[in-house]
Amino acid sequence: ETGVTQSPTHLIKTRGQQVTLRCSSQSGHNTVSWYQQALGQGPQFIFQYYREEENGRGNFPPRFSGLQFPNYSSELNVNALELDDSALYLCASSLEKGLNEKLFFGSGTQLSVL
Amino acid sequence: DAKTTQPPSMDCAEGRAANLPCNHSTISGNEYVYWYRQIHSQGPQYIIHGLKNNETNEMASLIITEDRKSSTLILPHATLRDTAVYYCIVGTDQTGANNLFFGTGTRLTVIP
Repeated sequence: ETGVTQSPTHLIKTRGQQVTLRCSSQSGHNTVSWYQQALGQGPQFIFQYYREEENGRGNFPPRFSGLQFPNYSSELNVNALELDDSALYLCASSLEKGLNEKLFFGSGTQLSVL
Repeated sequence: DAKTTQPPSMDCAEGRAANLPCNHSTISGNEYVYWYRQIHSQGPQYIIHGLKNNETNEMASLIITEDRKSSTLILPHATLRDTAVYYCIVGTDQTGANNLFFGTGTRLTVIP
């Protein structure tokens, strides 16, 4: 167990809708990162939050946004859902930002867009 | 984006050592090498990471060549539960973010 929990585990939405995915990090972890994993691919970095501010972003459009809260929880919001957004969404927490850190991943939310 | 090269798949007999190679010829001086694994339908699991020196923990050993252009992850006594996709990653520090590029990894199958 990594101490990182995600909800819901599965979700079905239709194209054009909006979705919010939630993550609860390990207590004391100041950094949370979100990844998207399409079927058969490795996880792709979406963005990272450090102490409630965005601290880096991958190649994802602005309709992917996030929030990090002081209680070590965070959200990933996706607007105007597209079929290609169907994927496993993973959150990962670490004590601090930077390179010399271990990431602790949750089990993910499987999003299906119809 | 790909900064590492791994074989797509490998087999290993149960109880034997599994040696997973990784090439990262363009690694820069301040970049770490990380290994994570992902068992089907779960989130990736941290295994080990290192900068220059060889590292060992309760799960595995990481051997990094002197020129840092390649590394090997060693699972000393593979079990069936080690069957997973193993990702070798070079850490990229962009604006302070720990942006990990996972690639497609090596699918390790441990055979009874």
